[in-house]
Amino acid sequence: AQSVTQLGSHVSVSEGALVLLRCNYSSSVPPYLFWYVQYPNQGLQLLLKYTSAATLVKGINGFEAEFKKSETSFHLTKPSAHMSDAAEYFCAVTLSGGYNKLIFGAGTRLAVHP
Amino acid sequence: DGGITQSPKYLFRKEGQNVTLSCEQNLNHDAMYWYRQDPGQGLRLIYYSQIVNDFQKGDIAEGYSVSREKKESFPLTVTSAQKNPTAFYLCASSTGQRIGEAFFGQGTRLTVV
Repeated sequence: AQSVTQLGSHVSVSEGALVLLRCNYSSSVPPYLFWYVQYPNQGLQLLLKYTSAATLVKGINGFEAEFKKSETSFHLTKPSAHMSDAAEYFCAVTLSGGYNKLIFGAGTRLAVHP
Repeated sequence: DGGITQSPKYLFRKEGQNVTLSCEQNLNHDAMYWYRQDPGQGLRLIYYSQIVNDFQKGDIAEGYSVSREKKESFPLTVTSAQKNPTAFYLCASSTGQRIGEAFFGQGTRLTVV
C-alpha cells in the first residue's frame, strides 16, 4: 500500500527566505510523486511531478523537488519565498500505469510574512 | 477554455436531505474522481470512475453515491446516511496518458444546517 507523510502541518517563512516543505512516501513499487498547491477556497493545481525520469524536478512558480529513493523523500523547495506563495501544499503518490488513484498527504500550510 | 466546472460553489442542506453536487468536464478525460477535504486531513477519495457506466468506491464511500452516464459528467449525491457531510468537495479528472496529473474543479462547500 502507498502512503504519504508531510512533516509539519504549518510552515512559516519570511519573504525572501528558503522554502522547504517535507514529504516522505511509502510504496512497494517505484512511485510517481506529485506536489499540488491550493489557494483558499479553490481547487488544486499541479506544481510538479516525478515520473522516474530526472530526480530533480522543476515546476511552476520557481519550485523544485528532488526524488531521493534512499531517503524515500520528495521535498519541495523554493530559494526565495514570495508573499504570493502563501497557500496549502499537498504531496501525492500514485503507481505507474493506467488510471491509478492519487493518495494525498495531509497538507502543509505555508505562511509568508514580510 | 477546457476545464472542470463544479456547481454550486456553496450549498446548504438540512439534516435528513439528500443533495447532489454537479461536476462537468470538457477536457475529454476518461477518468473522474470525487474527493472530500477536511481541515488537517488532506484529500480523501470518495468514488472514482475510469470509464462511462463504471465506477469504484474509494476510501470513504459510505453515505455517498455517484453515476457516470456521460463521459463529461460525474455527479455526487450526499445522502442522509452520511453522518458528517459538512466539508469541501473536490471533483477531478485525468487521462491515462498523463498519469497522476489530475485537473481539479473549484470545489463545492457543503454545510449541513
